[in-house]
Amino acid sequence: DSGVTQTPKHLITATGQRVTLRCSPRSGDLSVYWYQQSLDQGLQFLIQYYNGEERAKGNILERFSAQQFPDLHSELNLSSLELGDSALYFCASNPLAGGHTGELFFGEGSRLTVL
Amino acid sequence: DAKTTQPPSMDCAEGRAANLPCNHSTISGNEYVYWYRQIHSQGPQYIIHGLKNNETNEMASLIITEDRKSSTLILPHATLRDTAVYYCIVRSPGGGADGLTFGKGTHLIIQP
Repeated sequence: DSGVTQTPKHLITATGQRVTLRCSPRSGDLSVYWYQQSLDQGLQFLIQYYNGEERAKGNILERFSAQQFPDLHSELNLSSLELGDSALYFCASNPLAGGHTGELFFGEGSRLTVL
Repeated sequence: DAKTTQPPSMDCAEGRAANLPCNHSTISGNEYVYWYRQIHSQGPQYIIHGLKNNETNEMASLIITEDRKSSTLILPHATLRDTAVYYCIVRSPGGGADGLTFGKGTHLIIQP
């Protein structure tokens, strides 16, 4: 158990819909990272937040957004969903702001299926 | 961040040492080598990282060549539960996106 909690574990929805994925980092960790893993793309870094502020952006689509709340949990919002958004979405946390990233602790993921 | 090259798959017998190679010939002086693994559809798990010295922890050993152009992750006594995709990642501190970049990794299959 990494200490990172993600909900929901599974989600099935239709094209055009919007969903929110939630992540609770390990106690005390200020950084939260979001990753997408689809069959053909592998693990793709989407975005990082540190203590409520956006820290770094990766391959995140404009239809996707995220935020980190004062209690440090984070939400990833996916809108206007397309079939290609079907994937595993992982959240990871660590205590650092960035730089030497060190060890990331990953949650078990949220599996999104878009029909 | 420097690019890494790993074999797509490897087999190893249970109880033997699994040696996973990684080539990172363009690594620069301040870049670290990280290893993670991902057991089928679970979240990736950190294994070990190093800069230039060999490192060992309860999970594995990391051997980095003197010129730092390649490294080997060693699982000393592989078990069936070590079957996973192993990712070698090179990462510089600071600059650019802070998220680790995962390649395709090596699918290690431990045979009974």
